[in-house]
Amino acid sequence: SAVISQKPSRDICQRGTSLTIQCQVDSQVTMMFWYRQQPGQSLTLIATANQGSEATYESGFVIDKFPISRPNLTFSTLTVSNMSPEDSSIYLCSGPGQGDIQYFGAGTRLSVL
Amino acid sequence: GENVEQHPSTLSVQEGDSAVIKCTYSDSASNYFPWYKQELGKRPQLIIDIRSNVGEKKDQRIAVTLNKTAKHFSLHITETQPEDSAVYFCAASMNNDMRFGAGTRLTVKP
Repeated sequence: SAVISQKPSRDICQRGTSLTIQCQVDSQVTMMFWYRQQPGQSLTLIATANQGSEATYESGFVIDKFPISRPNLTFSTLTVSNMSPEDSSIYLCSGPGQGDIQYFGAGTRLSVL
Repeated sequence: GENVEQHPSTLSVQEGDSAVIKCTYSDSASNYFPWYKQELGKRPQLIIDIRSNVGEKKDQRIAVTLNKTAKHFSLHITETQPEDSAVYFCAASMNNDMRFGAGTRLTVKP
């Protein structure tokens, strides 16, 4: 199984600031994924991060708000920009293991005041 | 795009009883169907999965069935235990593009 390390595990941020979340995979993977999970809700895909190209964003998510970096095959970052209380959520990254299996990071619990 | 519907949203069973959670998907091209268990404050953990060329798969007390024609798949947990209490998510995927159902909160009462 793949090991996904994500940090920070939680943060409390002020409105208008930005937070960058980091995700490290213990093996080289072509695609990594970023999800948002609001309290008591399901996982919503934000974007797919491909190494060497721009991320592909899902409907309702834009690059200016959620810029993503993918500098190599084991690492990705998601930035939540110009935060508002509505951005309070859990953010999770995932990466594929063997075949189609997806493994998740532990998540970042973000609270925006 | 793919749309996954999951029912029920909550399920309460007595310890030792069986639990069944059902999902439907919309995109016939989806070919991989995992089930994740998420305990409070923790990451989703894969518990079982099935691919489109298989109709049923079992792992101890957990089984998954897939009906490709009807585009639905189900999770079956037998002899439930209190530690099975969690939120369960189904998903449908193709080429690693994975979409999740809304989740089912399972409570197993001792």
